[in-house]
Amino acid sequence: QQPVQSPQAVILREGEDAVINCSSSKALYSVHWYRQKHGEAPVFLMILLKGGEQKGHEKISASFNEKKQQSSLYLTASQLSYSGTYFCGTGRFGGNQFYFGTGTSLTVIP
Amino acid sequence: KAGVTQTPRYLIKTRGQQVTLSCSPISGHRSVSWYQQTPGQGLQFLFEYFSETQRNKGNFPGRFSGRQFSNSRSEMNVSTLELGDSALYLCASSLASGMNTGELFFGEGSRLTVL
Repeated sequence: QQPVQSPQAVILREGEDAVINCSSSKALYSVHWYRQKHGEAPVFLMILLKGGEQKGHEKISASFNEKKQQSSLYLTASQLSYSGTYFCGTGRFGGNQFYFGTGTSLTVIP
Repeated sequence: KAGVTQTPRYLIKTRGQQVTLSCSPISGHRSVSWYQQTPGQGLQFLFEYFSETQRNKGNFPGRFSGRQFSNSRSEMNVSTLELGDSALYLCASSLASGMNTGELFFGEGSRLTVL
């Protein structure tokens, strides 16, 4: 029931774009995205609810395809500060399940 | 406002011992959830408490238990420690119960090493 993230790791140069995918085998109601820097707590990026809406914050945005049970996180014009491990978390209908993906390590180099 | 506080931050135990970890949520938050984080496994859900009641439980053995107090502070206990219990244990708080209701605020974790 743990969502699957891809890729597992990616290295980018500053200014390049990246896409991180999150797929579930179960019907989803919500998808969360978090970023964790080494030695720090995961930090919330955004939550998407069913309806296929897309959300964005500056150069980071995400989409949620309810029918495909997938979400994608888009990072455009990456900055060094984007480095970290990105986790998706999924919520299902009925509410109380908490499942996170295994994470995607993203490294931005100058 | 103060964030989520976890204590202790680091601890070393030996096999067979037990350990208690504490989590103080953000003021006003009534939900506390716990996670085990190990390399390659990501965040594995342990359990969630809301208003002193366990709302949901992950696939961990009964050696892992928790509770929540009336002030929303939560503790988790691991008995009869095994080497494989070495991990970072994270707690998160939120206003309401469940993943569909809003963001989770994480603490910095308690790093447990079992020798």
